[in-house]
Amino acid sequence: DILLTQSPATLSLSPGERATLSCRASQYISRYLAWYQLKPGQAPRLLIYDASNRATGIPARFSGSGLGTDFTLTISSLEPEDFALYYCQHRSSPFNFGPGTKVDFK
Amino acid sequence: QVQLQESGPGLVKTSETLSLTCAVSGDSMTNFHWNWIRQSPGKGLEYLGYIYYSGPTNYNPSLESRITISVDTSKNQFSLKLYSVTTADTAVYYCARSKRYSGYDSGLDAWGQGTLVIVSS
Repeated sequence: DILLTQSPATLSLSPGERATLSCRASQYISRYLAWYQLKPGQAPRLLIYDASNRATGIPARFSGSGLGTDFTLTISSLEPEDFALYYCQHRSSPFNFGPGTKVDFK
Repeated sequence: QVQLQESGPGLVKTSETLSLTCAVSGDSMTNFHWNWIRQSPGKGLEYLGYIYYSGPTNYNPSLESRITISVDTSKNQFSLKLYSVTTADTAVYYCARSKRYSGYDSGLDAWGQGTLVIVSS
């Protein structure tokens, strides 16, 4: 199985700062990667699909990049509502998720 | 806009069967994949499996021996059965939609709110 690792586990930042989240695959996965945001009590939200395509309704401050084994989710300027958990997912069977990165207030 | 809603018992006894249903509204089930994902307390997301609207399935190998996902397009819903549950199956269970075809994958683009299922003796 292809495993995903995410770093850092926790990212402590202030509103207005830039957040850079990393997701690394154990093998080449082309662009088959998605990013999700999770908040307590809410439905998870798709942010990015195919590594770099923003999902419908996602603000432009969210961007994804990468190809092969190394991927990045960037939030250009954190809004208060962006403090949440973020997961990457390999979009091929068995569709594993990474362990997640928590973005919290510094 | 599509909406998904999970339903089912919130408490299941160990060794019994966990059964959940996901009701789909606002869009057809045709040409989509319908997925189940869970999050155990204090842990990350775990992918359980999917069913295509016409019936083919794909399950997480770690659960393949005790999971069944089915679909009923006439009722606009799909279901999860997890057999012989243990306390390790306690989790928030989510249903979600995706679309895949050659060269394209949408990601899990619509999710339910999730439902907590506690497994206890």
